[in-house]
Amino acid sequence: AQSVTQLDSQVPVFEEAPVELRCNYSSSVSVYLFWYVQYPNQGLQLLLKYLSGSTLVESINGFEAEFNKSQTSFHLRKPSVHISDTAEYFCAVSVYSGGYQKVTFGTGTKLQVIP
Amino acid sequence: DARVTQTPRHKVTEMGQEVTMRCQPILGHNTVFWYRQTMMQGLELLAYFRNRAPLDDSGMPKDRFSAEMPDATLATLKIQPSEPRDSAVYFCASGFYLNERPDTQYFGPGTRLTVL
Repeated sequence: AQSVTQLDSQVPVFEEAPVELRCNYSSSVSVYLFWYVQYPNQGLQLLLKYLSGSTLVESINGFEAEFNKSQTSFHLRKPSVHISDTAEYFCAVSVYSGGYQKVTFGTGTKLQVIP
Repeated sequence: DARVTQTPRHKVTEMGQEVTMRCQPILGHNTVFWYRQTMMQGLELLAYFRNRAPLDDSGMPKDRFSAEMPDATLATLKIQPSEPRDSAVYFCASGFYLNERPDTQYFGPGTRLTVL
């Protein structure tokens, strides 16, 4: 069975500073990887995803993540955060098993951007 | 702009009462998920439907919870009888999944359930 680990439950960072949110996974088969963001009192929404091709994927609002197969990681980075980036971020892994895609979410990391 | 809709958005009920939550997935999506989110447990998968058939409901307490898709435009999650520990935000999500390749999950706004 696959699993996802987000070691940091909370990450405080000053505005305009860089940030990295860590995500590690374990799986015995090929994976697809996702980052979702949840703003207060809202549902989750996709930030970016890796399905195939380039291991570096980017979002429209400046986030990027790199799929590192050897380190089984998919860390999320942004070079300069804004107040509006304050939210909870979830890493998710999907694997094909038993005839369908099985999706597992991490426990989430709360990013708090400090003015 | 297609969206997943959920009703009701908020529900307060007393222990022992039946609760039904509804979800309208995005038209054309073949996969529906039900999740429960709490501070203590985080995001938990309760049920997973493909083409209206249940694929995985191992995360759902079977004695009181039930999930169905009476048609392609409606998914329901029912709790009977409800208990205070069921208080949580319940999310529905939909996507178009092929067996070998996943899709983005599109989440609804959630139903905030409080059981007194």
